Amino acid sequence: SQTIHQWPATLVQPVGSPLSLECTVEGTSNPNLYWYRQAAGRGLQLLFYSIGIDQISSEVPQNLSASRPQDRQFILSSKKLLLSDSGFYLCAWSGGTGLEQYFGPGTRLTVT
Amino acid sequence: AQTVTQSQPEMSVQEAETVTLSCTYDTSESDYYLFWYKQPPSRQMILVIRQEAYKQQNATENRFSVNFQKAAKSFSLKISDSQLGDAAMYFCAYRSLRGTDKLIFGTGTRLQVFP
Repeated sequence: SQTIHQWPATLVQPVGSPLSLECTVEGTSNPNLYWYRQAAGRGLQLLFYSIGIDQISSEVPQNLSASRPQDRQFILSSKKLLLSDSGFYLCAWSGGTGLEQYFGPGTRLTVT
Repeated sequence: AQTVTQSQPEMSVQEAETVTLSCTYDTSESDYYLFWYKQPPSRQMILVIRQEAYKQQNATENRFSVNFQKAAKSFSLKISDSQLGDAAMYFCAYRSLRGTDKLIFGTGTRLQVFP
């Protein structure tokens, strides 16, 4: 069966520091991968999606970037965090037709 | 652009009773998918149910069923025989069949279940 992992689970970082969040998927190959952000009391907003290694599209211009160095690994990064980057970050994957997306446990990021 | 609206920020239900969560959406497309996701306190999003727009029959998954009204662009979720474990945030989501396969989410409904 497929599983999706995210780490770290929680992170507190000062403004201006770098960021690296990691997501890995097991039990499937060539998944579509997604990064979403959930602000407090809001729904999820798609940040990046990837259909293959080094194939990444950005949905929202922002202070963040994404990379996919391996088929089942998706990384969310920032060179300098802003206060507005605080939130709950969720990674998701889909396979085949991509109709259903399955989410990881998420990372709670607090920028101080 | 497509939008999803959940007009009930909070709902409550007693254990064993039935509750309906509302969702409306706006789109000019004729083919799309709709989903309900559950987000418990652990905050991991869990897929509850899926509806294809081309299907007239309402989707059902055990105690969860939907009332899909395509003309009215309405997609409500009915939870029967509510259980304490159903307490969570519920998000309605839309997926276009064009372009990216991103999900567009509503702002969610917090469901409380009382014993």
